[in-house]
Amino acid sequence: GAVVSQHPSRVICKSGTSVKIECRSLDFQATTMFWYRQFPKKSLMLMATSNEGSKATYEQGVEKDKFLINHASLTLSTLTVTSAHPEDSSFYICSADPGQGADTQYFGPGTRLTVL
Amino acid sequence: GQNIDQPTEMTATEGAIVQINCTYQTSGFNGLFWYQQHAGEAPTFLSYNVLDGLEEKGRFSSFLSRSKGYSYLLLKELQMKDSASYLCANDRGSTLGRLYFGRGTQLTVWP
Repeated sequence: GAVVSQHPSRVICKSGTSVKIECRSLDFQATTMFWYRQFPKKSLMLMATSNEGSKATYEQGVEKDKFLINHASLTLSTLTVTSAHPEDSSFYICSADPGQGADTQYFGPGTRLTVL
Repeated sequence: GQNIDQPTEMTATEGAIVQINCTYQTSGFNGLFWYQQHAGEAPTFLSYNVLDGLEEKGRFSSFLSRSKGYSYLLLKELQMKDSASYLCANDRGSTLGRLYFGRGTQLTVWP
């Protein structure tokens, strides 16, 4: 099956710093990738749609200046959490859409962010 | 929220059958997904329904009623490894692939 990787898998940072999370589709190209956030025992919440070669589309209530998304190639999207605060601590999961009539998007293994 | 409702927890014994229900908001509906998620891991795809009816895939089946905004996931011959969270997700809106997830149903399978 299609494989999506995320790096890093875990990151701990100090409040006020920025953290970059990478999402890569390893064996397929993805024009569209998605970024989700999941708090403990809560649902995955869609944050934004990452489009290769164009600006990301953010969901209502998600600050685009805080969560910077760059989809530089057909296999890589990055999410940068700027000026992170403890309330940004969460599980961030990306997914990649193979397109071409695929039934599903494929999820990465997630990145656990802890902001001290 | 996106008005997706599913039970929080369910329990069952090995070998049994369990049905996990999901209701969702019907406006802008593109399709209904079920995913399995073990703690600390990414969701894995189980099923996708866009038309009314039952889709069977091995021990797992999924049903959809578009008019009622209702779906269920049926798990047969339960095994211990089926203990996980089962997520119902609605693909809504003009852009395909934007998934709105329910809270997930934590299924515990007892021996």
